[in-house]
Amino acid sequence: AQSVTQLGSHVSVSEGALVLLRCNYSSSVPPYLFWYVQYPNQGLQLLLKYTSAATLVKGINGFEAEFKKSETSFHLTKPSAHMSDAAEYFCAAISGGYNKLIFGAGTRLAVHP
Amino acid sequence: DTAVSQTPKYLVTQMGNDKSIKCEQNLGHDTMYWYKQDSKKFLKIMFSYNNKELIINETVPNRFSPKSPDKAHLNLHINSLELGDSAVYFCASSQLGGSAYNEQFFGPGTRLTVL
Repeated sequence: AQSVTQLGSHVSVSEGALVLLRCNYSSSVPPYLFWYVQYPNQGLQLLLKYTSAATLVKGINGFEAEFKKSETSFHLTKPSAHMSDAAEYFCAAISGGYNKLIFGAGTRLAVHP
Repeated sequence: DTAVSQTPKYLVTQMGNDKSIKCEQNLGHDTMYWYKQDSKKFLKIMFSYNNKELIINETVPNRFSPKSPDKAHLNLHINSLELGDSAVYFCASSQLGGSAYNEQFFGPGTRLTVL
């Protein structure tokens, strides 16, 4: 069964600094991977998804993620953090059929001036 | 235009009560889901319906019963509420047919508090 691990439950960066949120998956077959963002008291919004096309995936709000099969990783990055990026970020993978999503534990991103 | 809507947004109730949460999507999707997010923000799928047919049924107490009157609606009924049911419940929808692994669109969540 698929599982998703997010390293670091809390990440704090300065405004303008690089954002790096880590995600590793476990699977022997190419996965379908997603990054979702959850702003306070809101639902989840898709940032980007990997579906076996290009390994570097660009998403909304300047985020991108690189799929690395050799490292079973799908880390999320943004070159320059903005205060509005402060939120909870979830990495997720399809597990089995029917679009069943398995989520990582989430990483809370704090951005300070 | 709200794509996936849930009612109510907040629900506070006593232990032992029965309550329902409603979800509607206007995206024309054929599949809907219920997720539970606990106090530590961990998200776990509970159920999924495809064209009114139950396709995912995770290990959930049978006090939880989903109902899908049509493919645009998926309701969650909870009997005999317990303290541990306190959580945020998210509804989501996606198009299962056609392209594989389409993204799921999430509703705003329903925060259930059991006292």
